[in-house]
Amino acid sequence: QVQLVESGGGVVQPGRSLRLSCAASGFIFRSHSLHWVRQAPGKGLEWVAITSYDDNDKSYADSVKGRFTISRDNSRNTLYLQMNGLTPEDTALYYCARGMMATLMADYWGQGTLVTVSS
Amino acid sequence: EIVLTQSPGTLSLSPGERATLSCRASQSFSRFYLAWYQQKPGQAPRLLIYGASSRATGIPDRFSGSGSGTDFTLTISRLEPEDFAVYYCQQYGSSPPYTFGQGTKLEIK
Repeated sequence: QVQLVESGGGVVQPGRSLRLSCAASGFIFRSHSLHWVRQAPGKGLEWVAITSYDDNDKSYADSVKGRFTISRDNSRNTLYLQMNGLTPEDTALYYCARGMMATLMADYWGQGTLVTVSS
Repeated sequence: EIVLTQSPGTLSLSPGERATLSCRASQSFSRFYLAWYQQKPGQAPRLLIYGASSRATGIPDRFSGSGSGTDFTLTISRLEPEDFAVYYCQQYGSSPPYTFGQGTKLEIK
């Protein structure tokens, strides 16, 4: 079955960096686009970034553009999110999600990893 | 950027009743690019509907989606106790960002 397991979250000071990982299994990883979506405590969902199946096409929300970098390693079935210049507004549960083939819609989600930005 | 506005913010209904949730977009886009998700407390979102009206794998047929252009609707024909949750629409329009609506909380009356 499809599984996505995020890791790498934690407490970090403002201005510092963090790298999230998402280990995937149960499907042909290299065939699917992948998303990061976040949810601040008690708030709604915010789409963060997407990478294409081959990592050649990437897009970001304006709120993270220039600070976050999405990438993937198809040999390791792993998705990454490098987060630099973190601010308290980046505090959230970060989900990775698989994009459906041909539609990009996120059909399977991990359980999330919590990032807290605080001094 | 396409802004999605969901209404109502909270919907109070009883099991067995019909629920109608709305998602309105700031500009028109293809219905092919509209999805609905359900999220229960402490859980990840679950895809319910994609392409505005296609049910995802394993989703009961009491869930249905409709709409086009700027107005989309999620209907739950007869509410079951497990349907009380928060529902989000999301658009995957012609280009990113792929914005979400702010959510509709469906609560037991």
